[in-house]
Amino acid sequence: DAGITQSPRHKVTETGTPVTLRCHQTENHRYMYWYRQDPGHGLRLIHYSYGVKDTDKGEVSDGYSVSRSKTEDFLLTLESATSSQTSVYFCAISERGEAKTQYFGPGTRLLVL
Amino acid sequence: ILNVEQSPQSLHVQEGDSTNFTCSFPSSNFYALHWYRWETAKSPEALFVMTLNGDEKKKGRISATLNTKEGYSYLYIKGSQPEDSATYLCASEEGDTDKLIFGTGTRLQVFP
Repeated sequence: DAGITQSPRHKVTETGTPVTLRCHQTENHRYMYWYRQDPGHGLRLIHYSYGVKDTDKGEVSDGYSVSRSKTEDFLLTLESATSSQTSVYFCAISERGEAKTQYFGPGTRLLVL
Repeated sequence: ILNVEQSPQSLHVQEGDSTNFTCSFPSSNFYALHWYRWETAKSPEALFVMTLNGDEKKKGRISATLNTKEGYSYLYIKGSQPEDSATYLCASEEGDTDKLIFGTGTRLQVFP
């Protein structure tokens, strides 16, 4: 299994509270991704990173920001959580030498009350 | 934004049946097509990555084909087993963008 961990694995928070999710990898892969998974929508890309301090938006980036100060860590921040951000969040990593196969972390369940 | 569609949404088969699913994607500016297997309470796991028209990939009883000109891929499972029960996702990459657009998946349940 690819060395990807996510923390926390579960979180309950209140509307308006800032929340940061962490993705940590031990594979030294260049690319890292944040997805959210909701019923009827499959996996949707929030933000991704193609190197330290290099990030770009995905299809559902509104209300989210990211940072990558080290190769191994990719942080996803909800500046002011809303109930519509209740979801399961997956981190993934990939490397071009592997045909960009993405390897997924275990996921974080976030409930915004 | 690409529109990647999968059919059927769900499928129930008996053990030993063979089955197949379809993934359709925009054929313009195609770069790669990925298939993933996603078991309940686990993370998606990569099955195949295909890039060339006519590509065929196989892993055990699971195989996939790709038609980039008409924009579809088939995933086949021969002799389904209960352990094949999972959601099968496809994802398309448009151009060399490093971003995947996922379909909503086909949920397969295999009954003993």
